[in-house]
Amino acid sequence: RKEVEQDPGPFNVPEGATVAFNCTYSNSASQSFFWYRQDCRKEPKLLMSVYSSGNEDGRFTAQLNRASQYISLLIRDSKLSDSATYLCVVTYNFGNEKLTFGTGTRLTIIP
Amino acid sequence: NAGVTQTPKFQVLKTGQSMTLQCAQDMNHNSMYWYRQDPGMGLRLIYYSASEGTTDKGEVPNGYNVSRLNKREFSLRLESAAPSQTSVYFCASSAPGWTEAFFGQGTRLTVV
Repeated sequence: RKEVEQDPGPFNVPEGATVAFNCTYSNSASQSFFWYRQDCRKEPKLLMSVYSSGNEDGRFTAQLNRASQYISLLIRDSKLSDSATYLCVVTYNFGNEKLTFGTGTRLTIIP
Repeated sequence: NAGVTQTPKFQVLKTGQSMTLQCAQDMNHNSMYWYRQDPGMGLRLIYYSASEGTTDKGEVPNGYNVSRLNKREFSLRLESAAPSQTSVYFCASSAPGWTEAFFGQGTRLTVV
């Protein structure tokens, strides 16, 4: 079983709709969680960190469920510019940090 | 603001050739990483370095060597390239603690 799992999609969503992705992780000792965004043929960039209490940044909301070991990303009022691959990232910090990525979920917003 | 700089951006190698991918960061980060990205596989960690002078294997280290030359630079070497190493390679760096990782623009490597 992979350490971090995501539904690869693709998710094809009409503009203005709400879309949600989940990501599950296998190591209960995981400490930090992030969502990254990757545009086609570009490097990944941080979208948002995921805090235990959940957090919101404009149209984006991230949630963490430690009991069920998953994180989620909700995008409201989706825009064409939201089309990208969304990567779930988990870190384990035991002196040596290591970022572990999920395979990514591809999102296409349809006009 | 340079951030993380990778060279080269593109490379074609013949099977058996060797090459070194260079990575440098100017953010005074302790941790540096090398990932490869293949279709359907996501980013897989090859090697990482938590600090100058230390390196650790990641998920797919076979066929690669690394060198953390100093705090700024972390190089990845392919001693004898194989077609299975055709991929996009990303270098990244991060500061201690639960902070953002910054990526280079990637190296698109083809081994024929």
